[in-house]
Amino acid sequence: QVQLQESGPGLVKPSETLSLTCAVSGYSISSGYYWGWIRQPPGKGLEWIGSIYHSGSTYYNPSLKSRVTISVDTSKNQFSLKLSSVTAADTAVYYCARLANRVPDYWGQGTLVTVSS
Amino acid sequence: DIQMTQSPSSLSASVGDRVTITCRASQSISSYLNWYQQKPGKAPKLLIYAASSLQSGVPSRFSGSGSGTDFTLTISSLQPEDFATYYCQQSYSTLLGTFGPGTKVDIK
Repeated sequence: QVQLQESGPGLVKPSETLSLTCAVSGYSISSGYYWGWIRQPPGKGLEWIGSIYHSGSTYYNPSLKSRVTISVDTSKNQFSLKLSSVTAADTAVYYCARLANRVPDYWGQGTLVTVSS
Repeated sequence: DIQMTQSPSSLSASVGDRVTITCRASQSISSYLNWYQQKPGKAPKLLIYAASSLQSGVPSRFSGSGSGTDFTLTISSLQPEDFATYYCQQSYSTLLGTFGPGTKVDIK
């Protein structure tokens, strides 16, 4: 059974960098699939952030591209998200997911990140 | 960018009702359309992929149809555990998989 678990600080100060990691179990990232990040501001809808393949190939949402970096560590079977220069608008539940042809089929439970001083 | 819309934004229904939710894409996305169910405090759950394929383990009362720009999710007989928010998502674009704004289904 594929399982994903997000981890990282729940509170980030404005202008700083948000950093999250997604640990994958039950499946080796090196075996294939893209892996992605999706977020959901409180009470709002879902926003696609970006995705990465085990080779390191990435795709980013154009609206966030200048601030987003997604990386992968196959030795630890995990991938990470960095979002720079955050503002209150970046407050959201952040989900990691496995992408089967750009279809998130397995999701993490989500982690709330609040941007506040 | 491909934009997704859903209608209605919310609906009230009773157990046993047939419920239909519509999703429209701003351009043709063939059958690259997926449906998710989200309950409060939980991650979305994949119900339907490729417009009409039922994800493993999902009850058969859920069905999807459509192609091109217009798609439908139907719940044939609404059950108590089906009260949730439903999202469509296009997976046609290589760059990003845009979600619709959601449809909240609550109890009448």
